[in-house]
Amino acid sequence: GAVVSQHPSWVICKSGTSVKIECRSLDFQATTMFWYRQFPKQSLMLMATSNEGSKATYEQGVEKDKFLINHASLTLSTLTVTSAHPEDSSFYICSARPGTIYEQYFGPGTRLTVT
Amino acid sequence: AQSVAQPEDQVNVAEGNPLTVKCTYSVSGNPYLFWYVQYPNRGLQFLLKYITGDNLVKGSYGFEAEFNKSQTSFHLKKPSALVSDSALYFCAVRDIAPYNNNDMRFGAGTRLTVKP
Repeated sequence: GAVVSQHPSWVICKSGTSVKIECRSLDFQATTMFWYRQFPKQSLMLMATSNEGSKATYEQGVEKDKFLINHASLTLSTLTVTSAHPEDSSFYICSARPGTIYEQYFGPGTRLTVT
Repeated sequence: AQSVAQPEDQVNVAEGNPLTVKCTYSVSGNPYLFWYVQYPNRGLQFLLKYITGDNLVKGSYGFEAEFNKSQTSFHLKKPSALVSDSALYFCAVRDIAPYNNNDMRFGAGTRLTVKP
């Protein structure tokens, strides 16, 4: 089946630093990738949608300058949290969709803790 | 825009009993409906989906869901619950009309606890 990986699985960083999270589709080409954020005991909130080679589309209230998304290839998308603050601590989950319109596959998530 | 409601934050059942996790949806066109399960500190695992066809959809680990268009519902069911089914369950919907980058919208989640 389709597999999506994320790296790292967890990261701790100091306030003010930047952190990059990678999302890879391992056995399919992802024309569209999504980034979600999940707070404890809450649902997934879509942050942004990206198509390969295009700028990401951010959801309302998500700072595009703070959460930089790059979808440089059909198998890789990155989320960079710039100048991280403790309130950015969360569980970040990426998702990838191949050319078909049905399926969307999820990565295992990345736990970010900003101290 | 599409939306999903999971009216129950928590569902408790005894092992061996049937379970139901409720989901209702709202879309402007025809829905694609999904159920996912999440274990602590893990990503989402796909259980099943409804695209078209038979209203009763069978999925992984013995789960099934029934699409009811008139009630705009897609409840998740299992005839006999296992303790290992205890997890967080999310219902999700995508609106297929019009097709573009339509993303999934998730419900708030329902925590299922199966007691021995």
